[in-house]
Amino acid sequence: AQTVTQSQPEMSVQEAETVTLSCTYDTSESDYYLFWYKQPPSRQMILVIRQEAYKQQNATENRFSVNFQKAAKSFSLKISDSQLGDAAMYFCAYRSPTHGSSNTGKLIFGQGTTLQVKP
Amino acid sequence: DTGVSQNPRHKITKRGQNVTFRCDPISEHNRLYWYRQTLGQGPEFLTYFQNEAQLEKSRLLSDRFSAERPKGSFSTLEIQRTEQGDSAMYLCASSLGYEQYFGPGTRLTVT
Repeated sequence: AQTVTQSQPEMSVQEAETVTLSCTYDTSESDYYLFWYKQPPSRQMILVIRQEAYKQQNATENRFSVNFQKAAKSFSLKISDSQLGDAAMYFCAYRSPTHGSSNTGKLIFGQGTTLQVKP
Repeated sequence: DTGVSQNPRHKITKRGQNVTFRCDPISEHNRLYWYRQTLGQGPEFLTYFQNEAQLEKSRLLSDRFSAERPKGSFSTLEIQRTEQGDSAMYLCASSLGYEQYFGPGTRLTVT
């Protein structure tokens, strides 16, 4: 079974600085998807960025980028020019591909990292 | 707003009562997922629908839990004989491809 581990329960960053959130995962599959979701306090989960395992190029979405190391099974999120609105809980998630009757595409989440942004 | 909606947003119930939650997915999405999230933890998968067919149920989904998705549209999650351990946020997500879009959740408190 696949597992996702986020070893940093809490992180803090100064506004306008850069922060990196760590995520490692375990799988025997070669094809899969990885995601970072943001969950602000009392608000809904928002997709931040996604990475397909077959792509070597790291995904980037504006100030958010990932460092995907497939061999090391590592998937970190870098937030550049941090803003007060980035304060939230961040979840790393794994998804198997859905070809094959046993794969439904459910997400397997890590425990989350709470990010505090200091003004 | 064409996102995923969930009702009610909050539910307080006494132990032993039955509760039902509703999820309305994004209209063209054929895949629908239910997750449970306890405070300070990541969501855990409960069950999955493809159109109206329930194709996977987690071991977390005891026989007190039942879910439906009639006609492949909205979905309901019912918990019978609620227990204090059922207190959590219940999240619904829908997808068409491999990205899942979440609703705001229903927070259940069992007293």
